[in-house]
Order: sequence, then structure tokens, then C-alpha cells
Amino acid sequence: AQKITQTQPGMFVQEKEAVTLDCTYDTSDPSYGLFWYKQPSSGEMIFLIYQGSYDQQNATEGRYSLNFQKARKSANLVISASQLGDSAMYFCAMRGTNTGANSKLTFGKGITLSVRP
Amino acid sequence: AAGVIQSPRHLIKEKRETATLKCYPIPRHDTVYWYQQGPGQDPQFLISFYEKMQSDKGSIPDRFSAQQFSDYHSELNMSSLELGDSALYFCASSLGGLYIEQFFGPGTRLTVL
Repeated sequence: AQKITQTQPGMFVQEKEAVTLDCTYDTSDPSYGLFWYKQPSSGEMIFLIYQGSYDQQNATEGRYSLNFQKARKSANLVISASQLGDSAMYFCAMRGTNTGANSKLTFGKGITLSVRP
Repeated sequence: AAGVIQSPRHLIKEKRETATLKCYPIPRHDTVYWYQQGPGQDPQFLISFYEKMQSDKGSIPDRFSAQQFSDYHSELNMSSLELGDSALYFCASSLGGLYIEQFFGPGTRLTVL
């Protein structure tokens, strides 16, 4: 079974500062993928960044980077230079391989980020 | 670029009624997933289809059924609706493969009164 844990309460960050959103995971799969999604108040799920368990380097996508520490089973999202539009719910998710290639996503409970002007 | 299309975007039903949600995946995507997100909750996997065959099943009530058609669009049929079925229903599609991103549609917001 896969489990994603996001335990931070609502996070606040000042505009233009960096913020780290925590995510820990548990799985028995030897290979897996980790994802971060953003969900603004309008409700859509927006893909931000992906990290494969065997990737040698931490993933980066523009202002988003993933601090992947495999031994600690953590995949924290770092948002640099926060913008007001970053205010949203952020979900960490993973998919494994034990059910085949087309594996479902397991989500954490999410973290609410509020960016202050 | 084409995205996942879901219809309707909003749906209001009475208890015990039925509802049909539709999903049109990104062209050439062979896999469709359905997720249910209750108010203030994380998305929960319901069911998935690969090449028109059910590939995985999650916490989908027996009152719900789904299928993927020859043109790869999918429908989620919900019967005997309950108040607790009120949620945001997402469809996502992918091209299969191990680490391929799932592209989410905008969701259908179902309200059961």
C-alpha cells in the first residue's frame, strides 16, 4: 500500500520569498513516481512537477523544485519567489508499479498555502 | 494544446436520482482515471480504464458504474444518489507508461440535494 503524509498546517509566505511544502511517503514498490499538484480555489488540478524514484537529480520546473531524499522518503516542494497567484491547496501524490503501468495516484491530505503581499 | 474535457461542469440532482458524467481524454491517450474529491478532502481514486478495459478499481460504490467507449471517452454512471455523493469528480488521462503524468480535466461538481 502507498501512503502520502502532508502534516503541515496552513502555510503563509511573504510575496517574493521562498517556501517549502513537506511531503513524506511510504511504499513497498521498488520504483515509483512522486508528483505535486496545485489546486486553486476554482478547483482544477494543475500538475507542477514530477520526480522518479530512480532519478539521480532533483526535479526542477521554473520556480518549482523538488527536494527528493529517498532514504528519508521525503519529497518536499520548494517554491521560489512566491507570487500572489501561488495561493492555493498543494497536493503531493505518488504512483507505484505494483498494479501495472497504468497506476492510480494516491494523494496526501494537501497543504493550504497563502501568499501575503 | 487539447486538454481533458469533462461534462457537465456542474450538476445538481435530488437524492435517489441518477447522474452520468462524461470524460473526453486528450487525443491518443489510452488510459482514463476517475477520482472523487469530497469537500475539504483529497482526491480518492475510483476506477481506471486502459484500452477500453477496466484496469484498476478503488473505492467506487456499487451504485456507480463506468465504462470506456471505442472512441476512448468514458462515462461514470451514478445511481440512487446520496447526499454524500456531493463532490468534485475528476477525470484524468494518460498515455500509459510507468511515469507518465496524468492530465486532469476541470472536474464536474455534483451537488445532491
